[in-house]
Amino acid sequence: EIVMTQSPASLSVSPGERATLSCRASQTVAFNLAWYQQKPGQAPRLLIYDASTRATGIPARFSGSGSGTEFTLTISSLQSEDFAVYICQHYNNWPPITFGQGTRLEIK
Amino acid sequence: QITLKESGPTLVKPTQTLTLMCTFSGFSLNTSGLGVGWIRQPPGKALEWLALIYWDDDTRYSTSLRSRLTVTKDTSKNQVMLTVTNMDPADTATYYCAHRKTGSDPFDYWGQGTLVTVSS
Repeated sequence: EIVMTQSPASLSVSPGERATLSCRASQTVAFNLAWYQQKPGQAPRLLIYDASTRATGIPARFSGSGSGTEFTLTISSLQSEDFAVYICQHYNNWPPITFGQGTRLEIK
Repeated sequence: QITLKESGPTLVKPTQTLTLMCTFSGFSLNTSGLGVGWIRQPPGKALEWLALIYWDDDTRYSTSLRSRLTVTKDTSKNQVMLTVTNMDPADTATYYCAHRKTGSDPFDYWGQGTLVTVSS
């Protein structure tokens, strides 16, 4: 199983500032990495796939980078609606899909 | 417009079998490449992928839960069913179904989830 480790576990940032979230895979996943946003009581929402491609309707302030085992999600200028939990996921067919533990992004 | 919705019991007893249905619209599981997956999330914990079924009846399962899971589809009804045997309080979670465009894509559309509690 590929273990996805996210850091930090929580992050406090002021609105308008930049947030940088990390995700590390225990073995290479090439570019098969997605980022999701999850708000309380809601299903995850796909933000980024193929490590750096924004999903349909996702604002340009969200960007992803990385490959292999190290990945980053950057939110360039935080809006009030961006405070949520962010989860990375690898979607190789083998080893099977796994998710990270999530980073909670909080208002400072 | 793709939508998915989970349905099933909200409460099951330990050792019982859980059966969940995912009813979807906006796509057909006859379409080459498409899949529907099941993912769960215990309260306050991380997402855990459970199972996938593809358009061609190919199925994939979590290695840790494989012996307890079965996923099937009814293409004519636009439904995917998940059964989980021998339920335990540790299986208490919100269960989601989600759309996958191909085996090389993430889950791009998710149902709202259904909370299943395991308790006697």
